Parts: sequence; C-alpha cells; structure tokens
Amino acid sequence: QQQVKQSPQSLIVQKGGISIINCAYENTAFDYFPWYQQFPGKGPALLIAIRPDVSEKKEGRFTISFNKSAKQFSLHIMDSQPGDSATYFCAASGGGSNYKLTFGKGTLLTVNP
Amino acid sequence: NAGVTQTPKFQVLKTGQSMTLQCAQDMNHEYMSWYRQDPGMGLRLIHYSVGAGITDQGEVPNGYNVSRSTTEDFPLRLLSAAPSQTSVYFCASSYLRDRERPQYFGPGTRLTVT
Repeated sequence: QQQVKQSPQSLIVQKGGISIINCAYENTAFDYFPWYQQFPGKGPALLIAIRPDVSEKKEGRFTISFNKSAKQFSLHIMDSQPGDSATYFCAASGGGSNYKLTFGKGTLLTVNP
Repeated sequence: NAGVTQTPKFQVLKTGQSMTLQCAQDMNHEYMSWYRQDPGMGLRLIHYSVGAGITDQGEVPNGYNVSRSTTEDFPLRLLSAAPSQTSVYFCASSYLRDRERPQYFGPGTRLTVT
C-alpha cells in the first residue's frame, strides 16, 4: 500500500518556467510534509517542509501548497533554473511513529537552458 | 561536524557473501535509519532506531540486520547477499523531538551483487 503517491515521474521544463510536482497521501495522521532534493551521486537533502496548519509556505523560489481536505500537497519551483535539475521526493510523517518518513517515488526534474 | 558518514562508497559482492555497511553521525541524533533507493521505487525504509539498544523493522527488512550499540553508529549487515539487494543504500539521522524533524542523509553506498 503506497501511502504517498507522487506525480509526475519525470518533468522537463524550460529555464524560467514553473515546475510543479504533486503528491497525495492517505494517512490522516500525517502532520509533517517535507520535500527533499537529490542531486546525482548525493544523498537527499531537505528543501522545504510544511505542517497542515498552513496552506502555503514559500522559501525563495520554492513554494509548498497544501490542501488538507483533498489530502494533497505540491511543490512549485518558480523561475526554474538548470541548477534545479535534480530528483525531488515528497514525504510525510506523523501519528504514533512521527519520526518515520514515508517517501513518494520521486520526480526527475530537468530544466533546459 | 562531519554530519552523516557512510563507508564504503562502492562495493561489489558475490551472491552469498556477507558484509557490513557502516554509518556514523556526530550530531547526537537519537533517530537513525537505513533506506534503499532503487529506480522508480523511491526511498524505502529498511530498519530504524530511536536510540542505543533499540531497533525496529521498516518496510523492507528481509535479508538485513542492524544493531545500535552507541548513539553515533548504526551498521547495516547483509547476511547472505542476493542480486535483489543490488541498490544504493542511504543512512539518515535526526532528532526525535525536533518539531521540524529534518533528516540528514549520508552520501550513500552503491552495492552491486553479482
């Protein structure tokens, strides 16, 4: 049972465009929703995270939008740059094991110059 | 701080061989975990620990053992390697009670089983 579903699997965007990656979750006990960024040959690193008491969080060009009723959240990358080319993972945690992260399957983002 | 370190970076094993993947962190994190990353499968939790002497199974624990004798170290043992265990393995750590709970990942170990 996949508790966090991520789409699309891959995404190609032109420089300056907007990249949008979507995730949906099933477990209503989840209360922490981070996004991780992974460059080739490296470990994932936390990019931005949100809790369900807010509908949006923005850090620079990266924004998380959160829809609690739909159990969906998304990452928007504004003014996408070639340096943003990486794999992005959404994740969720909460409930009794609030330190365990459940990851989506990842989105490979390519930003063309 | 060195953060989360993993050794080795690369390893090739023959089917049936055993080995230990090392993981260490110097941030005094209570929580440590092991993931495997396979193409199209994301990051899947193998085992995790919430403190020295405490370990538990994750999503895909079969074929792997762990122990946590100190806060700093969390080795992953493959008892009898199989080709299905060819993967990239990541160790991660975090504070248990940090409200934002970011996990810090190591650089990974790429394992090939022939």
